Formats: sequence, C-alpha cells, structure tokens
Amino acid sequence: DIQLTQSPSFLSASVGDRVTITCRASQGISSYLAWYQQKPGKAPKLLIYAASTLQSGVPSRFSGSGSGTEFTLTISSLQPEDFATYYCQQLNSYPPTFGQGTKVEIK
Amino acid sequence: EVQLVESGGGLVQPGGSLRLSCAASGFTFSSYEMNWVRQAPGKGLEWVSYISSSGSTIYYADSVKGRFTISRDNAKNSLYLQMNSLRAEDTAVYYCAREAIYGEDKERAFDIWGQGTMVTVSS
Repeated sequence: DIQLTQSPSFLSASVGDRVTITCRASQGISSYLAWYQQKPGKAPKLLIYAASTLQSGVPSRFSGSGSGTEFTLTISSLQPEDFATYYCQQLNSYPPTFGQGTKVEIK
Repeated sequence: EVQLVESGGGLVQPGGSLRLSCAASGFTFSSYEMNWVRQAPGKGLEWVSYISSSGSTIYYADSVKGRFTISRDNAKNSLYLQMNSLRAEDTAVYYCAREAIYGEDKERAFDIWGQGTMVTVSS
C-alpha cells in the first residue's frame, strides 16, 4: 500500500497567515492526489484534485502543487472558516490511502 | 441538489451484523463509481470499499475483506454495505462518497460525501 505522510500534524496560525501543508508519498503517484477539508462533526469536502486543480466553488486562496512523491496545499491568507483538519489522498492505486491529517487551529 | 444520505447505523454487539444504506439523489447514480470511507472517533479517514458503476468491479480494504460486502441497486439509486462479524475496531462514522473522474488522464477524487452514519460495536 502507498503511505502518505503529512507534515505538520498540527499547525497553529493566525487569520491572514500563509499556511503550507506537505504530503509525501512512499512511492511515486504522478498527480493522482486530492486534498480535503473536514470540520468537526462534518463530512470531508473536496478542495483540490489532480494535485493542483481547484474544485468548483472552492476559494482561490487555496492552491495545490507537486507531483511524484511530494505535494503541498497552500492557503494564501487564512480565514476564520479555514480552521479545520486537512487530509491528502492518493488515487494512483488501490487502496486509495489518506494522510493522517493536519489540524489547523487558531493561534 | 446532488446529495448522498446514509442510514442504518447503530449499536451492535461484537460478532453481529449491520447493513448500511446510502441513498443518492440529484445525479445519474448509475454513471458513478462509489466508495465507503470510515472514521473512527478522533481518528483519520480510512477507505473501506469501492464498487464500479455497474457493480462488476469491487475492492475492499484488507481490514474488512471477507466480512463486509458492498453492493448497489442502480434502479433504486442506492449503495449498500453489509457488515458481518463486526469488531470493536469497526466502530466509526461510515461515509458513502461519489468518485469523480476528470479529463484524459482520468484523475479521480471523492467529490460528494454523505453526512455519515455512526456504527458502534460494543457489548
């Protein structure tokens, strides 16, 4: 199985900060990577697919980059509604594994 | 409105069975591949099972293989997960998720998720 390792696991930031989350794959997955946002008690929400394509309706402050084994999710200016847990997911091969998550909290 | 609604969760004893359902609306269900994903309390996301649009191709996570069965009824716009021989470690919120396929490279993502249904395995 392909392992995904996110860093950091926990992040404390202020409104307006630029935030970057990294996701590393145990083997190459081309661009078959998605990012999700999950708020407490809610289902995950798709933010980015194909490593860098913004899902319809997602604010442009979110962006994704990378290919192969290293990927990043960037929030250019953190907003109050962005405090949540973020997961990466590889869809290169089965099982479609998730990273362990990065919790973004208010500083 | 595109929507997935899960049902069927509850409290069950170890070794027991439960059948989850996921009702789809607002899109052509028969055209989409579907998945079940679970999340144990306070933990991350774990993919459980996949079924192709026709039902002809199925995959399972090793943790549930031989105990869980995924199925679908395209005439009823419904996805199911039959869970047998349940264990305490199966306790989780179970989500159904639609799998979207994009472009020539057939990139994939889980673009629509239900609200989840809680399964608790305890004596």
